[in-house]
Amino acid sequence: DAGVIQSPRHEVTEMGQEVTLRCKPISGHDYLFWYRQTMMRGLELLIYFNNNVPIDDSGMPEDRFSAKMPNASFSTLKIQPSEPRDSAVYFCASSFGNYNEQFFGPGTRLTVL
Amino acid sequence: AQTVTQSQPEMSVQEAETVTLSCTYDTSESDYYLFWYKQPPSRQMILVIRQEAYKQQNATENRFSVNFQKAAKSFSLKISDSQLGDAAMYFCAYRSVLNTDKLIFGTGTRLQVFP
Repeated sequence: DAGVIQSPRHEVTEMGQEVTLRCKPISGHDYLFWYRQTMMRGLELLIYFNNNVPIDDSGMPEDRFSAKMPNASFSTLKIQPSEPRDSAVYFCASSFGNYNEQFFGPGTRLTVL
Repeated sequence: AQTVTQSQPEMSVQEAETVTLSCTYDTSESDYYLFWYKQPPSRQMILVIRQEAYKQQNATENRFSVNFQKAAKSFSLKISDSQLGDAAMYFCAYRSVLNTDKLIFGTGTRLQVFP
């Protein structure tokens, strides 16, 4: 299995631009999680899905952030418009069932200038 | 709300020696899961070890073991025979059984391994 796949690995953009991060979970996994990692705040859960349905988006910082999961094998996290304070590493993780280990992707390092 | 505290921002150990990373947590729940994740410079988050709170026996995975003290709400990670490849950030994480979907992470401990 290829594991959780994220793209791009690195993204540099200018303030005000739209940014879309992509994630392909492990096949067969029914949970998908989006995390953000910063030096100041550590690892934060932004949103998670179960069977493609958003369950808890209370961690999404503001309306500029949105996430979708149109099918079991693909999810996006979009920031529009982006701001310098959004600069962070964004991780996607998936798991099978809610008692099992979460497998993390390699992350996307986002830099907003 | 549950919280996880890692009070050691950095630790160092000599190769082949043993090091212990500390983690404490706060919860009012009686059943939960605890995890240690490793994040090497590649950024990949890798599960090192997990512990179910209802199990009294401490989890062990090869050179990695935990000291789980439920009453004290302590969950330390011991790395024996440290190797250069163990150098990484280590994160302690908590997951409730009732609210089984969220992982709550500590702030991490950076481990350096010296030859």
